[in-house]
Amino acid sequence: DTGVSQNPRHKITKRGQNVTFRCDPISEHNRLYWYRQTLGQGPEFLTYFQNEAQLEKSRLLSDRFSAERPKGSFSTLEIQRTEQGDSAMYLCASSPDRVGGELFFGEGSRLTVL
Amino acid sequence: GENVEQHPSTLSVQEGDSAVIKCTYSDSASNYFPWYKQELGKRPQLIIDIRSNVGEKKDQRIAVTLNKTAKHFSLHITETQPEDSAVYFCAAGDSWGKLQFGAGTQVVVTP
Repeated sequence: DTGVSQNPRHKITKRGQNVTFRCDPISEHNRLYWYRQTLGQGPEFLTYFQNEAQLEKSRLLSDRFSAERPKGSFSTLEIQRTEQGDSAMYLCASSPDRVGGELFFGEGSRLTVL
Repeated sequence: GENVEQHPSTLSVQEGDSAVIKCTYSDSASNYFPWYKQELGKRPQLIIDIRSNVGEKKDQRIAVTLNKTAKHFSLHITETQPEDSAVYFCAAGDSWGKLQFGAGTQVVVTP
Protein backbone atom coordinates (compact mmCIF):
# COMPACT_ATOMS: atom_id res chain seq x y z
CA ASP A 1 0.00 0.00 0.00
CA THR A 2 1.58 3.27 -1.11
CA GLY A 3 -0.97 5.54 0.54
CA VAL A 4 -0.63 7.65 3.67
CA SER A 5 -0.07 5.47 6.70
CA GLN A 6 -0.88 6.42 10.30
CA ASN A 7 -0.06 4.69 13.56
CA PRO A 8 -1.50 3.78 15.92
CA ARG A 9 -5.01 3.57 14.54
CA HIS A 10 -6.54 3.74 17.98
CA LYS A 11 -5.19 5.03 21.27
CA ILE A 12 -6.94 5.05 24.62
CA THR A 13 -5.19 6.97 27.36
CA LYS A 14 -5.84 8.47 30.74
CA ARG A 15 -6.06 12.20 31.22
CA GLY A 16 -2.65 13.72 31.84
CA GLN A 17 -0.70 11.18 29.83
CA ASN A 18 1.33 12.00 26.73
CA VAL A 19 0.57 10.43 23.36
CA THR A 20 2.40 10.41 20.05
CA PHE A 21 1.05 9.68 16.59
CA ARG A 22 3.09 8.89 13.52
CA CYS A 23 2.34 9.64 9.89
CA ASP A 24 4.15 8.24 6.86
CA PRO A 25 3.16 10.24 3.77
CA ILE A 26 3.21 9.17 0.16
CA SER A 27 6.92 9.04 -0.61
CA GLU A 28 7.14 11.69 -3.31
CA HIS A 29 4.93 14.20 -1.49
CA ASN A 30 6.74 17.18 0.03
CA ARG A 31 3.78 18.60 1.90
CA LEU A 32 2.34 17.04 5.00
CA TYR A 33 -0.68 18.20 6.99
CA TRP A 34 -2.25 17.34 10.32
CA TYR A 35 -5.97 17.76 10.87
CA ARG A 36 -8.27 16.95 13.76
CA GLN A 37 -11.82 15.74 13.26
CA THR A 38 -14.50 15.40 15.90
CA LEU A 39 -17.83 13.65 15.43
CA GLY A 40 -20.12 15.50 13.07
CA GLN A 41 -17.54 18.08 12.09
CA GLY A 42 -15.22 18.67 9.19
CA PRO A 43 -11.48 18.24 9.53
CA GLU A 44 -9.91 21.13 11.41
CA PHE A 45 -6.47 22.31 10.30
CA LEU A 46 -3.70 21.91 12.90
CA THR A 47 -0.37 22.37 11.14
CA TYR A 48 1.56 21.64 7.98
CA PHE A 49 5.07 21.05 6.67
CA GLN A 50 6.91 21.73 3.47
CA ASN A 51 9.64 19.09 3.62
CA GLU A 52 11.04 19.42 7.17
CA ALA A 53 9.93 23.02 7.67
CA GLN A 54 6.80 23.61 9.74
CA LEU A 55 5.18 26.50 7.89
CA GLU A 56 2.07 27.17 9.89
CA LYS A 57 0.47 26.15 13.13
CA SER A 58 -3.18 26.84 13.88
CA ARG A 59 -3.75 29.44 16.56
CA LEU A 60 -6.29 27.02 18.00
CA LEU A 61 -3.49 24.62 18.81
CA SER A 62 -2.35 24.82 22.40
CA ASP A 63 1.26 24.57 23.53
CA ARG A 64 0.58 20.97 24.55
CA PHE A 65 0.62 20.01 20.88
CA SER A 66 3.86 19.69 18.95
CA ALA A 67 4.60 18.26 15.54
CA GLU A 68 7.86 17.39 13.85
CA ARG A 69 9.05 16.17 10.50
CA PRO A 70 12.77 15.82 11.15
CA LYS A 71 13.98 14.47 7.83
CA GLY A 72 11.18 15.64 5.62
CA SER A 73 9.67 12.18 5.46
CA PHE A 74 7.52 10.86 8.32
CA SER A 75 5.97 13.17 10.88
CA THR A 76 4.99 12.83 14.52
CA LEU A 77 2.29 14.65 16.45
CA GLU A 78 2.69 14.67 20.21
CA ILE A 79 0.06 15.73 22.69
CA GLN A 80 1.30 16.33 26.21
CA ARG A 81 -0.85 16.20 29.36
CA THR A 82 -3.89 15.00 27.43
CA GLU A 83 -7.34 16.33 28.29
CA GLN A 84 -10.75 14.82 27.56
CA GLY A 85 -11.32 17.54 24.98
CA ASP A 86 -8.41 16.15 22.97
CA SER A 87 -10.47 13.08 22.11
CA ALA A 88 -10.83 13.11 18.34
CA MET A 89 -9.66 11.56 15.11
CA TYR A 90 -6.26 12.90 14.09
CA LEU A 91 -5.88 12.84 10.32
CA CYS A 92 -2.67 13.16 8.40
CA ALA A 93 -2.59 14.11 4.74
CA SER A 94 0.09 14.65 2.16
CA SER A 95 0.20 16.36 -1.21
CA PRO A 96 2.64 16.98 -4.03
CA ASP A 97 4.49 20.26 -4.17
CA ARG A 98 2.34 22.24 -6.56
CA VAL A 99 -0.35 24.89 -6.33
CA GLY A 100 -3.67 23.45 -5.22
CA GLY A 101 -2.58 19.83 -5.12
CA GLU A 102 -5.01 17.18 -3.93
CA LEU A 103 -4.65 16.13 -0.31
CA PHE A 104 -4.41 12.39 0.24
CA PHE A 105 -5.62 11.44 3.69
CA GLY A 106 -4.55 8.59 5.91
CA GLU A 107 -7.06 6.45 7.82
CA GLY A 108 -6.50 8.53 10.93
CA SER A 109 -5.53 7.89 14.53
CA ARG A 110 -8.46 7.88 16.92
CA LEU A 111 -7.65 9.21 20.39
CA THR A 112 -9.86 8.57 23.39
CA VAL A 113 -8.91 10.32 26.62
CA LEU A 114 -10.57 8.88 29.71
CA GLY B 1 -9.69 34.69 9.03
CA GLU B 2 -10.65 31.67 6.97
CA ASN B 3 -14.20 30.37 7.27
CA VAL B 4 -16.16 27.91 5.16
CA GLU B 5 -19.90 27.60 5.64
CA GLN B 6 -21.72 24.55 4.29
CA HIS B 7 -25.45 23.90 3.87
CA PRO B 8 -27.51 21.88 4.42
CA SER B 9 -26.17 19.79 7.28
CA THR B 10 -28.37 16.85 6.29
CA LEU B 11 -29.98 16.00 2.97
CA SER B 12 -32.39 13.17 2.27
CA VAL B 13 -33.20 12.37 -1.35
CA GLN B 14 -35.02 9.64 -3.22
CA GLU B 15 -32.90 7.45 -5.41
CA GLY B 16 -32.70 9.00 -8.86
CA ASP B 17 -33.26 12.55 -7.65
CA SER B 18 -30.60 15.26 -7.56
CA ALA B 19 -28.71 16.52 -4.53
CA VAL B 20 -27.21 19.99 -4.18
CA ILE B 21 -24.83 21.16 -1.46
CA LYS B 22 -23.73 24.77 -1.16
CA CYS B 23 -20.70 26.37 0.42
CA THR B 24 -19.44 29.88 0.97
CA TYR B 25 -15.95 31.01 1.89
CA SER B 26 -14.45 34.21 3.21
CA ASP B 27 -10.74 34.14 2.31
CA SER B 28 -10.16 35.97 -0.98
CA ALA B 29 -6.83 34.16 -1.35
CA SER B 30 -8.60 30.83 -1.79
CA ASN B 31 -8.05 29.45 -5.26
CA TYR B 32 -8.72 25.74 -4.93
CA PHE B 33 -12.07 24.19 -4.01
CA PRO B 34 -12.22 20.41 -3.54
CA TRP B 35 -15.08 18.23 -2.41
CA TYR B 36 -14.46 15.18 -0.28
CA LYS B 37 -16.69 12.19 0.43
CA GLN B 38 -16.33 10.40 3.74
CA GLU B 39 -18.04 7.13 4.50
CA LEU B 40 -18.51 6.04 8.08
CA GLY B 41 -15.18 5.16 9.67
CA LYS B 42 -13.24 5.86 6.50
CA ARG B 43 -10.83 8.55 5.35
CA PRO B 44 -12.04 11.56 3.35
CA GLN B 45 -11.59 10.96 -0.36
CA LEU B 46 -11.55 13.54 -3.11
CA ILE B 47 -14.45 13.25 -5.54
CA ILE B 48 -14.07 16.43 -7.56
CA ASP B 49 -12.27 19.75 -7.38
CA ILE B 50 -12.29 23.09 -9.13
CA ARG B 51 -9.76 25.88 -9.41
CA SER B 52 -10.44 29.57 -9.37
CA ASN B 53 -9.97 30.09 -13.11
CA VAL B 54 -12.85 27.75 -13.93
CA GLY B 55 -16.55 28.32 -13.37
CA GLU B 56 -17.87 24.79 -13.73
CA LYS B 57 -16.56 21.25 -13.89
CA LYS B 58 -18.38 17.98 -14.46
CA ASP B 59 -17.41 14.35 -13.95
CA GLN B 60 -20.15 11.89 -14.85
CA ARG B 61 -22.96 12.39 -12.30
CA ILE B 62 -21.05 14.95 -10.27
CA ALA B 63 -20.62 18.64 -11.07
CA VAL B 64 -19.23 21.61 -9.21
CA THR B 65 -19.83 25.29 -9.87
CA LEU B 66 -17.84 28.24 -8.57
CA ASN B 67 -18.75 31.90 -8.29
CA LYS B 68 -15.62 33.71 -7.14
CA THR B 69 -17.30 37.10 -7.05
CA ALA B 70 -19.93 35.88 -4.61
CA LYS B 71 -17.46 33.50 -2.93
CA HIS B 72 -19.67 30.48 -3.17
CA PHE B 73 -19.45 27.06 -4.78
CA SER B 74 -21.80 24.14 -5.07
CA LEU B 75 -21.79 20.37 -5.56
CA HIS B 76 -24.45 18.77 -7.71
CA ILE B 77 -25.07 15.02 -7.76
CA THR B 78 -27.55 13.82 -10.37
CA GLU B 79 -29.34 10.46 -10.57
CA THR B 80 -28.43 9.67 -6.97
CA GLN B 81 -27.81 6.07 -5.97
CA PRO B 82 -27.74 4.45 -2.51
CA GLU B 83 -23.93 4.26 -2.66
CA ASP B 84 -23.88 8.07 -2.78
CA SER B 85 -24.95 8.04 0.88
CA ALA B 86 -22.09 9.53 2.90
CA VAL B 87 -20.89 12.77 4.44
CA TYR B 88 -19.68 15.33 1.92
CA PHE B 89 -17.26 18.10 2.81
CA CYS B 90 -16.44 21.19 0.82
CA ALA B 91 -13.13 22.93 1.35
CA ALA B 92 -11.32 26.07 0.26
CA GLY B 93 -7.57 26.17 -0.14
CA ASP B 94 -4.73 28.54 -0.86
CA SER B 95 -1.56 28.14 -2.92
CA TRP B 96 0.12 26.23 -0.12
CA GLY B 97 -2.56 23.58 -0.24
CA LYS B 98 -3.84 24.26 3.26
CA LEU B 99 -7.57 23.49 3.26
CA GLN B 100 -10.34 24.87 5.43
CA PHE B 101 -13.28 22.47 5.53
CA GLY B 102 -16.97 23.00 5.90
CA ALA B 103 -18.87 21.18 8.64
CA GLY B 104 -20.16 18.53 6.25
CA THR B 105 -23.46 17.39 4.76
CA GLN B 106 -24.90 13.99 5.63
CA VAL B 107 -26.51 12.73 2.42
CA VAL B 108 -28.98 9.86 2.68
CA VAL B 109 -30.28 8.32 -0.53
CA THR B 110 -33.34 6.18 0.02
CA PRO B 111 -34.28 3.48 -2.51
